[in-house]
Amino acid sequence: KNQVEQSPQSLIILEGKNCTLQCNYTVSPFSNLRWYKQDTGRGPVSLTIMTFSENTKSNGRYTATLDADTKQSSLHITASQLSDSASYICVVRLSGGYNKLIFGAGTRLAVHP
Amino acid sequence: SQTIHQWPATLVQPVGSPLSLECTVEGTSNPNLYWYRQAAGRGLQLLFYSVGIGQISSEVPQNLSASRPQDRQFILSSKKLLLSDSGFYLCASSWTIAGGPQETQYFGPGTRLLVL
Repeated sequence: KNQVEQSPQSLIILEGKNCTLQCNYTVSPFSNLRWYKQDTGRGPVSLTIMTFSENTKSNGRYTATLDADTKQSSLHITASQLSDSASYICVVRLSGGYNKLIFGAGTRLAVHP
Repeated sequence: SQTIHQWPATLVQPVGSPLSLECTVEGTSNPNLYWYRQAAGRGLQLLFYSVGIGQISSEVPQNLSASRPQDRQFILSSKKLLLSDSGFYLCASSWTIAGGPQETQYFGPGTRLLVL
């Protein structure tokens, strides 16, 4: 069964600290993996996309990694800011078809001053 | 760049009442359009997608329906709402090859529906 599991479910950190969010997937055939940021009550916004051959991708203070062998990805946030408070969703695309996105349930991050 | 509008932003409806949620897209033509539902603590679930006017594909059996009367308009409807229809409904749009490896879906602000 194609699944995307994220951990932790929720996380609280202090402003300025770093954190790492995890994503494990059992999806085949794999096409790519994205991390989305979703502010409360808003639609998700894409942060990074990685294909099978890429093992790291950065977008400002966000760095995503991908280990296609172990089927794991992580999203590392450096020097967190209050505006980083949001849900972070890992999404894996299967090859082929219109309906081949598998969404994780997300990690809810709260950054406190 | 494209902009996705959804309304209403929030909606409280009684069980058994009808539903109509609207999504419109600006800044692109012939987009691929999607309706998703996000339940609390769950991943997004694809409900419908459309690659053109009048072309609707359904992903899960349910009491919801979708229509695309115009190129950049996507409507989610129900004749009789159920309690289980409560959730956060997101419209998404893309303009690259639907299902292609580099397809990026852009999401609207969402509609929060509470069925009582």
